Amino acid sequence: AQTVTQSQPEMSVQEAETVTLSCTYDTSESDYYLFWYKQPPSRQMILVIRQEAYKQQNATENRFSVNFQKAAKSFSLKISDSQLGDAAMYFCASTTGTYKYIFGTGTRLKVLA
Amino acid sequence: DGGITQSPKYLFRKEGQNVTLSCEQNLNHDAMYWYRQDPGQGLRLIYYSQIVNDFQKGDIAEGYSVSREKKESFPLTVTSAQKNPTAFYLCASSILISYNEQFFGPGTRLTVL
Repeated sequence: AQTVTQSQPEMSVQEAETVTLSCTYDTSESDYYLFWYKQPPSRQMILVIRQEAYKQQNATENRFSVNFQKAAKSFSLKISDSQLGDAAMYFCASTTGTYKYIFGTGTRLKVLA
Repeated sequence: DGGITQSPKYLFRKEGQNVTLSCEQNLNHDAMYWYRQDPGQGLRLIYYSQIVNDFQKGDIAEGYSVSREKKESFPLTVTSAQKNPTAFYLCASSILISYNEQFFGPGTRLTVL
């Protein structure tokens, strides 16, 4: 069975600092994708970053980057130069291409001014 | 602008009543999904559809029904058989190629009075 675990229900970061959100997953498939979604107070889910399992290089999108450790089945999100607008729920998700996406329980990120 | 619309934003229902949540997309996506979001539980899949006139049950389909008569539309009916329907409901879509990201609507908050 495919599972996604986010063990940090809540995190805080000072504005302009860096924070890392953790995610671990489990799958028996060799080919899969991993995602980080952001859900701000408006509750509109927005894709932050995507990682293909076959790629060794970690994905990066501006201030957002991932640390993908395939052997450890770990997929953490690093947010650099945190901004007030980064405050949101962050969900880690995976799919093995069966059109089924598995989401973690989310991490609420607070950004302190 | 292409996107996914959900209506209404807020919905109130009396116990014993059926209610239908609307989801429309103009992204020309083949696959559409319904999720339920409860605090601390992430997103749980209710139903998904890959093509018109075909859909599959997700992890928590009991008490829900869907239809897919048009590619653009995937309404969800919450029936009186759903024991605890108060939740936030999210509709999503994706292109019919594996591993692609899902695009989400703004959600509907359903409250049973």
